[in-house]
Amino acid sequence: DQQVKQNSPSLSVQEGRISILNCDYTNSMFDYFLWYKKYPAEGPTFLISISSIKDKNEDGRFTVFLNKSAKHLSLHIVPSQPGDSAVYFCAASYSSNTGKLIFGQGTTLQVKP
Amino acid sequence: ETGVTQTPRHLVMGMTNKKSLKCEQHLGHNAMYWYKQSAKKPLELMFVYNFKEQTENNSVPSRFSPECPNSSHLFLHLHTLQPEDSALYLCASSPRTGGGNEKLFFGSGTQLSVL
Repeated sequence: DQQVKQNSPSLSVQEGRISILNCDYTNSMFDYFLWYKKYPAEGPTFLISISSIKDKNEDGRFTVFLNKSAKHLSLHIVPSQPGDSAVYFCAASYSSNTGKLIFGQGTTLQVKP
Repeated sequence: ETGVTQTPRHLVMGMTNKKSLKCEQHLGHNAMYWYKQSAKKPLELMFVYNFKEQTENNSVPSRFSPECPNSSHLFLHLHTLQPEDSALYLCASSPRTGGGNEKLFFGSGTQLSVL
């Protein structure tokens, strides 16, 4: 049973436009959510996170939105740049867990110049 | 030098071989993790070590044997693997486990092919 799902395997956007990556989860105990970015031949790198007590967290061009009632979060990148082309993973955890992150399958973002 | 270093980057082994993956972190963290990423699948947690003690074994087959001699080093010993074990094996570290707001720092991974 996959607790974190990224239903779009790929997304293509034009440079300068907004990229929206989506993530759904099923476990209502999750209280911390993260986005990681992965380039080919490299490990995932942390991008941005959000606690369940918030509904929005912003860091420069990156904003994560959390809708707890819908068990849905999204990552907005604006404006998108070609260097943003990578695989983006959504991950979730909960306080009583032993630091275990549950990952989604990833969404490959391509930003076209 | 990156914070989490994994060697080798690529490994090809036969089903009867014994090999080891190595991970070293230079971040002063106390928790280390092994994750597996198979094609088209999510990253899957294998093992968690906190202060050198194993705190999580995610039902991993015994042909994978982890070792954590200290908080900076983590090994994954491999023996009699199957072709379906071919995957990217990622090591990660974090300041500690628990608390629910851990930010993991990943190495670049070892791409393993089992023939």
